[in-house]
Amino acid sequence: QVQLKESGPGLVQPSQTLSLTCYVSGFSLTSNSVHWVRQPPGKGLEWVGTIWTGGNTYHNSALKSRLSISRDTSKSQVFLKMNSLQTEDTAIYFCTRSHGTYYNWFPYWGQGTLVTVSS
Amino acid sequence: DIRMTQSPASLSASLGETVNIECLASEDIYSDLAWYQQKPGKSPQLLIYNANSLQNGVPSRFSGSGSGTQYSLKINSLQSEDVATYFCQQYNNYPFTFGSGTKLEIK
Repeated sequence: QVQLKESGPGLVQPSQTLSLTCYVSGFSLTSNSVHWVRQPPGKGLEWVGTIWTGGNTYHNSALKSRLSISRDTSKSQVFLKMNSLQTEDTAIYFCTRSHGTYYNWFPYWGQGTLVTVSS
Repeated sequence: DIRMTQSPASLSASLGETVNIECLASEDIYSDLAWYQQKPGKSPQLLIYNANSLQNGVPSRFSGSGSGTQYSLKINSLQSEDVATYFCQQYNNYPFTFGSGTKLEIK
């Protein structure tokens, strides 16, 4: 059974760095890519970035160079780090798994973790 | 980036009615389009992929159609449990992009 679950700090101060972890089970990170999607409260969805099966990453250029995605395959964990946080980064952050390589719709989602950027 | 223009932003319909939600892509996305349903406080749930393929377990009253730049989600025989916000997503090109959402309510 495929499962994903996000974990994060909840509250981050402006200009600080956000660190999130996505714990996955029921599949291997070397067989399926994991994506991050975020949603500001009451607003729409924004694709943030992905880590592919080979370990390469790709992220939304709108986030410029603030974003880093990595993983620990032995622990089935994916990490998101975003620096220089601003209030507009306040959002629910979801990790998702695509159906398969080249099949990039998202049947599997975590419950999401709310990140609030505030002093 | 591919822009996804979704309409309407909100929709009110009666139980048993049929509703349509549209998504217009800024360029041809070759049917690489998914539809999601999101209920308050929940994660999005996949309804349709490849523009017209029904995800396992999704009721057959949901259907998708379209090609090129124009796509639509149709909900037949509207039920109370269909109250939600619906999003389209293109996965033809990175960065993947979503429509702005359609909030569906019961009249």
